[in-house]
This record gives sequence, structure tokens and C-alpha cells, in this order.
Amino acid sequence: GAVVSQHPSWVICKSGTSVKIECRSLDFQATTMFWYRQFPKQSLMLMATSNEGSKATYEQGVEKDKFLINHASLTLSTLTVTSAHPEDSSFYICSARVGTSSYEQYFGPGTRLTVT
Amino acid sequence: AQSVTQLGSHVSVSEGALVLLRCNYSSSVPPYLFWYVQYPNQGLQLLLKYTTGATLVKGINGFEAEFKKSETSFHLTKPSAHMSDAAEYFCAVSRGTGNQFYFGTGTSLTVIP
Repeated sequence: GAVVSQHPSWVICKSGTSVKIECRSLDFQATTMFWYRQFPKQSLMLMATSNEGSKATYEQGVEKDKFLINHASLTLSTLTVTSAHPEDSSFYICSARVGTSSYEQYFGPGTRLTVT
Repeated sequence: AQSVTQLGSHVSVSEGALVLLRCNYSSSVPPYLFWYVQYPNQGLQLLLKYTTGATLVKGINGFEAEFKKSETSFHLTKPSAHMSDAAEYFCAVSRGTGNQFYFGTGTSLTVIP
């Protein structure tokens, strides 16, 4: 149980275009989902916390207008990278929490974004 | 504030040797502690976690970790390294239920045949 999927697993887009990444909890309802960014050989940096039905909470330094997060249902959160640039190329990982009081986070397999 | 320090960004061990990956944390409240493993181009897989109770925690693939409050440490060990253990390992701390994770910078484990 507690499986989180991401789609796509790998995407290449041209500079200036937008790309959407989906994060789904497959066998549980996730009130809260998290979006992380990971640069090569580095750790995960939390970008934003996404709560179902409300606006996402962004970490300091993360542009909310560039990284649009939508959490419209208890099983789906999306991250849209708008007007992507090469510096947005990274590995994006989502995680989902079961319920509001759980400490457990279940991580998706990640999405590799390359902007050319 | 929460933070995690992983000493040694790269660790190399011989196959069959002891694996020791270090993690120290800072937390103003009793922490929840986690170790994750990441293989290339993949997400994170939970190895083990400490929340409450027994301070020696056993996880998957023969790994274990001991929570030492006095040392604010949560080092990961495995008695005998296997080639398949080569990966990136992340220590993480959470402040408890409902709170976000803070990750260490990771330790890359190389296993030498």
C-alpha cells in the first residue's frame, strides 16, 4: 500500500514552454502533498506544501507564479513549470502524507525535467 | 528549527565490510528520524524510521540505526556491505505528526568489490 506515482517520469521541453507534472496517490487519500526539487548530486529541497482544496504554501525563494501547484482532489496534485528555462532543469519529486496527523510521507519516483 | 547534517558526502567500503553512514540532527522538540535510499534516477525508498520507543531501529536490506539523544545522532549501519547497497542515502528529520521533512545533503555509498 501507500504508492505514489508521478507522470511523466521524464520530459524534455523547449525554453519558454510550460510543462505539467502529475503526482497521484494510488491507494490512499492524501490530504497533503509535498513538492521537492533535487539538483544533481544534491539533497531534496522542499518547494511547496500542497493541501487539497486550498492554495499551496511555498518555501522562501520559490516563485509561486512560476511553479503553479494545484491539489484539486485527494489523490492528485499537479506542478506546472511555466515559461521553463534551462535553469529549471532538475529532478522533481513529490510525496504524499496519509491524513493530517501522520508523520509518514510516501515518495513518488520523481520526474526528470530537461529544458533545452 | 530543524536541521540535519550528514558527515561525509562520499563513503567507500569494501564488499562485506561494515557500512557506517553518519547523521546528526538538531531539533528543539523530540524528532522523528528517517533514512532513505535513492538509486539513480529514482525516488526515495524508506529504509527505516524512528518515532518513539526502542532506540535501535531495524530496517530493510539489513540496515539498522540507533537514535542517541545525548549525541543527537541517528547513524545508519549495516554489518556487511553488498554491491547492491551502492546508492545515495539521505537522513531526514521531521518534527512529528503533520510536519515537513528536512533532509540532509546525502551520502553517496560506493561498494568496492
